[in-house]
Amino acid sequence: EVQLVESGGGLVQPGGSLRLSCAASGFTFSTIWMTWVRQAPGKGLEWVADIRKDGSENHCVDSVKGRFTISRDNAKNSLFLQMNSLRGEDTAVYYCATGSPGGYWGQGTLVTVSS
Amino acid sequence: DIQMTQSPSSLSASVGDRVSITCRASQGIRNDLGWYQQKPGKAPKRLIYAASSLQSGVPSRFSGSGSGTEFTLTISSLQPEDFATYYCLQHNSYPFTFGPGTKVDIK
Repeated sequence: EVQLVESGGGLVQPGGSLRLSCAASGFTFSTIWMTWVRQAPGKGLEWVADIRKDGSENHCVDSVKGRFTISRDNAKNSLFLQMNSLRGEDTAVYYCATGSPGGYWGQGTLVTVSS
Repeated sequence: DIQMTQSPSSLSASVGDRVSITCRASQGIRNDLGWYQQKPGKAPKRLIYAASSLQSGVPSRFSGSGSGTEFTLTISSLQPEDFATYYCLQHNSYPFTFGPGTKVDIK
């Protein structure tokens, strides 16, 4: 059974940092692109970033460029999102998902940026 | 960036109704489009990929069509479990972008 489990969310002050993790199981992690998608409270979905299966290529939305870094550890079947210089508008549930995104999503982890 | 619009933004329908949602892209995206269903408090679920291919395990009452700039998600006979918000997503060029969503509720 495919499982994606996010962790690392929480309350952080503006300007602070958080590192989200996504633990994957039930499939060959190293063969699939992975994606982060977020959803601010009461708002729609926003694609945030993705990363190639071997980690050699990644892309992100302009609003997080220079602040967020997506990475992966294929040996540990894990996806990460390092978030620095956090702003109020980064407050959201963050989902990891397989593919562009595709058929498998985690349950999400809530990030709240507030003083 | 490619902008995605959806219409309508919301609709009220009855069980058994045929429902269609339209998604338009600001430039051609071939068939690089997916449709997602999201229920409150839950992660999204992909229904359709490549504009018209049904995701495994998704009921056949869901179908997708279109190519280029205009796409449609159709539910042939609305069921109680289909009341949700639906999003389209283009993955033709970066940054990938979602439509604003269409909320389907009970009439």
